[in-house]
Amino acid sequence: QVQLQESGPGLVKPSETLSLTCAVSGYSISSGYYWGWIRQPPGKGLEWIGSIYHSGSTYYNPSLKSRVTISVDTSKNQFSLKLSSVTAADTAVYYCARHTMSGWYYMDVWGKGTTVTVSS
Amino acid sequence: QTVVTQEPSLTVSPGGTVTLTCASSTGAVTSGYYPNWFQQKPGQAPRALIYSTSNKHSWTPARFSGSLLGGKAALTLSGVQPEDEAEYYCLLYYGGAQLVFGGGTKLTVL
Repeated sequence: QVQLQESGPGLVKPSETLSLTCAVSGYSISSGYYWGWIRQPPGKGLEWIGSIYHSGSTYYNPSLKSRVTISVDTSKNQFSLKLSSVTAADTAVYYCARHTMSGWYYMDVWGKGTTVTVSS
Repeated sequence: QTVVTQEPSLTVSPGGTVTLTCASSTGAVTSGYYPNWFQQKPGQAPRALIYSTSNKHSWTPARFSGSLLGGKAALTLSGVQPEDEAEYYCLLYYGGAQLVFGGGTKLTVL
């Protein structure tokens, strides 16, 4: 059974960099799939942040691209998100998820999410 | 900026049928946008229901179905149960590996 678990600081100061990690269990990242980050501000909808392929190719939401870096560590079977120059608008629940982008397009496994608050 | 639009809210009676739609600001939604549908209940992560327009995951109840309807992606719930009350999100895949979620539909079962 594939499981994803987000981790990282729950509080980040404005202008600093938000850093989160998603640990994958039950499946080897090196075996395939895309691994993505999605966020949800309080009381609002879902926003795709970006994704990384197991080979390291990255795809970002154009609205966040200048501030986002997603990386993968296959040795630890995890992938990470860095979002720089954060403001209160970046306060959200951050989810990681597994998805495809060929054949049958689906996003089937999600982490439970981690809440990040941007505040001084 | 691409915008994906869903009905903000819908109400349905238990046992009834309801259709939620998902429109794209770029034009008609086709199977090439590989519409996905997710259900989210308060305090929980989204749960995948439908992928690539009309395919169900192994855990998706039979009363959920996906289709294309009048240039939009559609999610139909037939024989609605009280536990179907939730927020529903569509996801469209755009060329260049861009993913865009709809704003969500709050479904009330009353």
